[in-house]
Amino acid sequence: DGGITQSPKYLFRKEGQNVTLSCEQNLNHDAMYWYRQDPGQGLRLIYYSQIVNDFQKGDIAEGYSVSREKKESFPLTVTSAQKNPTAFYLCASRRGRENEQFFGPGTRLTVL
Amino acid sequence: RKEVEQDPGPFNVPEGATVAFNCTYSNSASQSFFWYRQDCRKEPKLLMSVYSSGNEDGRFTAQLNRASQYISLLIRDSKLSDSATYLCVVNIGYSTLTFGKGTMLLVSP
Repeated sequence: DGGITQSPKYLFRKEGQNVTLSCEQNLNHDAMYWYRQDPGQGLRLIYYSQIVNDFQKGDIAEGYSVSREKKESFPLTVTSAQKNPTAFYLCASRRGRENEQFFGPGTRLTVL
Repeated sequence: RKEVEQDPGPFNVPEGATVAFNCTYSNSASQSFFWYRQDCRKEPKLLMSVYSSGNEDGRFTAQLNRASQYISLLIRDSKLSDSATYLCVVNIGYSTLTFGKGTMLLVSP
């Protein structure tokens, strides 16, 4: 089945620890995105990548880092510098120059 | 002014009712428009794109008014399964999307 997978579904971490969220797609999509969603809030863009080995900061990149070494993979690291990391993290991808984005199932991160 | 604004609701309607949501956007350079549906604690899923001429997909009709900078979504013959949050989404360039906070719909028996 083609699609976007994110793992893990739920993640707990202690304050001060870095954690990496996985995002993989087998849709052969060029662009990939990371969003954060807080209760009652819209999706906010953290980082995006339009091609391998290139990525751009979104609206709330501080405290996060990404890499894009392979077309299929776009992992997000939530560092200890992120002040309020507890949130629902969503990965998305887009094909070519089409505008629609398709989402993975998300990872719920809770910092204890 | 927020970039994409929606009435958060909730809109409570009985099965079979017709319900309409509006969304306004602030950037007149916006080029593409979408409605996504998000179920509780799930990822957003594309419901439909919104074209300048308006478009229909079954019970769902989307309209775009560029002059007034608003988008609408009409749902006819509401089903229980339509209960969800509907996100209005706008694209300025082709690389990124701007999401509204969503309008919650609750359809009751």
